[in-house]
Amino acid sequence: DMKVTQMPRYLIKRMGENVLLECGQDMSHETMYWYRQDPGLGLQLIYISYDVDSNSEGDIPKGYRVSRKKREHFSLILDSAKTNQTSVYFCASSLGREVFFGKGTRLTVV
Amino acid sequence: GEQVEQLPSSLIVQEGASVLINCSYTDSASVYFPWYKQEPGKRLQFIIDIRSNMERKQTQRLTLLFDKKTKHLSLHITATQPGDSAIYFCSARGSALGRLHFGAGTQLIVIP
Repeated sequence: DMKVTQMPRYLIKRMGENVLLECGQDMSHETMYWYRQDPGLGLQLIYISYDVDSNSEGDIPKGYRVSRKKREHFSLILDSAKTNQTSVYFCASSLGREVFFGKGTRLTVV
Repeated sequence: GEQVEQLPSSLIVQEGASVLINCSYTDSASVYFPWYKQEPGKRLQFIIDIRSNMERKQTQRLTLLFDKKTKHLSLHITATQPGDSAIYFCSARGSALGRLHFGAGTQLIVIP
């Protein structure tokens, strides 16, 4: 059963704290993504990774960085979180046309 | 970069009705258009797709139409059921490897 797993599912952080969102996939997919979903805006691409240490900015990378040291694992890091980074974050992986999504992490920055 | 617009933003219909969701994109290099469904609190699920060399694709109660000239897609859902209640997303994928751009979504509510 192909799976993209995100941890944690829910997170509350104070403004200025560092945040680590983790994503794993068990399909050996080369390409992985981080999106954020906000009401009325759909999903916006933050970063895309084509393989280990091969990461590229998406449409809204400011305030975020990523790390991919193993093919099956892709992390999103917020250094000094801001309140406008409150959102639901989705990780995805793909092989060819098929894209598989995780269940999302709801991050609240207070 | 690619911009994907989706209308309407929400729809409320009675069970059994048909609905139409419209989507437009800007980048003529986009060649692949998957649609996803997101039920409350759940992950996005693929429901149907179309490539730019096709005009129509149908699967069960879903029909997806594509007009390359106007850069427009429309998703038709027939005989709606309460289980169809979800947010539906149009997306576009083009020459930039792997980048998938989404519309803002259409919230569909089907009343029993």
